[in-house]
Amino acid sequence: GESVGLHLPTLSVQEGDNSIINCAYSNSASDYFIWYKQESGKGPQFIIDIRSNMDKRQGQRVTVLLNKTVKHLSLQIAATQPGDSAVYFCAETSNFGNEKLTFGTGTRLTIIP
Amino acid sequence: KAGVTQTPRYLIKTRGQQVTLSCSPISGHRSVSWYQQTPGQGLQFLFEYFSETQRNKGNFPGRFSGRQFSNSRSEMNVSTLELGDSALYLCASSQIPGTNNSPLHFGNGTRLTVT
Repeated sequence: GESVGLHLPTLSVQEGDNSIINCAYSNSASDYFIWYKQESGKGPQFIIDIRSNMDKRQGQRVTVLLNKTVKHLSLQIAATQPGDSAVYFCAETSNFGNEKLTFGTGTRLTIIP
Repeated sequence: KAGVTQTPRYLIKTRGQQVTLSCSPISGHRSVSWYQQTPGQGLQFLFEYFSETQRNKGNFPGRFSGRQFSNSRSEMNVSTLELGDSALYLCASSQIPGTNNSPLHFGNGTRLTVT
């Protein structure tokens, strides 16, 4: 079946450095992608999203890149802070507005002070 | 604006019992979705409601059911609980599915433990 996967389960980054979290997806019909951050004891928190008609979108300290050719998604976090430590999930859906998201397995990001 | 509110936060039940979880979406949000999160399976879609109608359903047995009320609040029910139903149940809401700037916003979940 279709799945969304992550290349690395854990990532440690020095505070102040940039981090990149990667995600591969297999559903070629996917047209909407979202990154979520989940801290311990909390639900996933929306970070940024991107539609398939775009290849890059920027937010505050975050950038999402989409490469549809190789079905790859990445989340870049600039100037990481201790509060960025969390598990990050990518999610996709094959029908924009379809709330049935398929989530990746997650990457645990640890910021080293 | 208050976020998605889920009650209760924690619940302990015994095998064979049933349970009802509650979700209040963000004010103005009309779509409510439910997800199950476990260490082994990750986040999995259960079902989605919009205007009191189930729009989508995931691959879960019929023991899992839900409903949405006219005020957009939602409940999910699990009957004949099994040990494997132990999980974090997450509710998410969005304004109107299919519109721009309407991503899912999640609550902090209900942690269900089945003994």
